[in-house]
Amino acid sequence: DVKVTQSSRYLVKRTGEKVFLECVQDMDHENMFWYRQDPGLGLRLIYFSYDVKMKEKGDIPEGYSVSREKKERFSLILESASTNQTSMYLCASRRALGLVQYFGPGTRLTVT
Amino acid sequence: QKEVEQNSGPLSVPEGAIASLNCTYSDRGSQSFFWYRQYSGKSPELIMFIYSNGDKEDGRFTAQLNKASQYVSLLIRDSQPSDSATYLCAVKGNNDMRFGAGTRLTVKP
Repeated sequence: DVKVTQSSRYLVKRTGEKVFLECVQDMDHENMFWYRQDPGLGLRLIYFSYDVKMKEKGDIPEGYSVSREKKERFSLILESASTNQTSMYLCASRRALGLVQYFGPGTRLTVT
Repeated sequence: QKEVEQNSGPLSVPEGAIASLNCTYSDRGSQSFFWYRQYSGKSPELIMFIYSNGDKEDGRFTAQLNKASQYVSLLIRDSQPSDSATYLCAVKGNNDMRFGAGTRLTVKP
């Protein structure tokens, strides 16, 4: 059974704080993704990683960075949280030549 | 123009009816098409996907592709209240996957 887990379901942070969101998958997938989901805007890709220590910018990377030191773990970092980063953050993983992306449960982040 | 567009809804159908969900895409090179279901407060889960070469039926669900008009549809037969959710269309071409904003479906008992 495929499994993608995220470190927190709900998170409240203050403006200016550094925020870490963690994602772990147990399927030995090469590809991992971070999205944010906002009403009316759908899923927007922040960053993705094709393999360990590799990362690529998605459509909205500004204000974010990522880290992939191990194959199973992909971290999203908000360097200095701002209120416009209040959103649902979804992690996903996929086999290198696969089509199907499996999503984690999501982290609802509120920045006050 | 958004790469993948969906009517946000809500689409409301009575129980037992056919629900028809549509999605248009802009990249003519798109090769695979996906439908995800997302319950409120939950993450998206894959219902089915099709390639550019044909339609697919899986139980009560049918995904259809019209390449000439660049749209994908999802038909849900014998709709149940448990089908009430937001349905996300996703398209994959040369670039990575692109998602629509989703259509909210409500099935009324």
